[in-house]
Amino acid sequence: DAGVIQSPRHEVTEMGQEVTLRCKPISGHDYLFWYRQTMMRGLELLIYFNNNVPIDDSGMPEDRFSAKMPNASFSTLKIQPSEPRDSAVYFCASSPPPGAGSGANVLTFGAGSRLTVL
Amino acid sequence: KQEVTQIPAALSVPEGENLVLNCSFTDSAIYNLQWFRQDPGKGLTSLLLIQSSQREQTSGRLNASLDKSSGRSTLYIAASQPGDSATYLCAAPFHNAGNMLTFGGGTRLMVKP
Repeated sequence: DAGVIQSPRHEVTEMGQEVTLRCKPISGHDYLFWYRQTMMRGLELLIYFNNNVPIDDSGMPEDRFSAKMPNASFSTLKIQPSEPRDSAVYFCASSPPPGAGSGANVLTFGAGSRLTVL
Repeated sequence: KQEVTQIPAALSVPEGENLVLNCSFTDSAIYNLQWFRQDPGKGLTSLLLIQSSQREQTSGRLNASLDKSSGRSTLYIAASQPGDSATYLCAAPFHNAGNMLTFGGGTRLMVKP
């Protein structure tokens, strides 16, 4: 398996533009997570999906952010309109269903999408 | 709400030293705790996952321990090498909810040759 694949790896855009980040999870993983990493706030969970359904989006900073998972092999995180404070590295991660009694399994992260909003 | 803290934020050691990285968490009712490694400009790589029923996990020169009662975990690196230089993050489940992880701020480790 090629792992979790994210695109683009780098994006530079101007304030007010729409940004779409993409993620392909590992086949068979039914949990998908979007994280944001900044120097000031570290890694923050934005939203996660289980079986393509958004379960918790309480970490999404505001209505400018939206995420979708139309099928088991694809998810997008969209920012519209983008602002300079959205500049960060956005990570997608996936994991298989929790094993019996364990509650969780190991997360596999993508390489991240570095977003710069000018 | 789960809060995870890592101290120190940065650590520099000479090659060959054994070292310990610390992680503390506020909600002791966790299913597990994970340690990750992040190289500059890269994603996170899972190193070790300790289930709540375990006290430690080992992988090569790495040993992670978990003490739920005190809300602490440690990552022990034996005979450190320059290639171990990276940021190490621990993560614990958020609201005791399986895969939702809260991350510590990380410890940036530099091993000098």
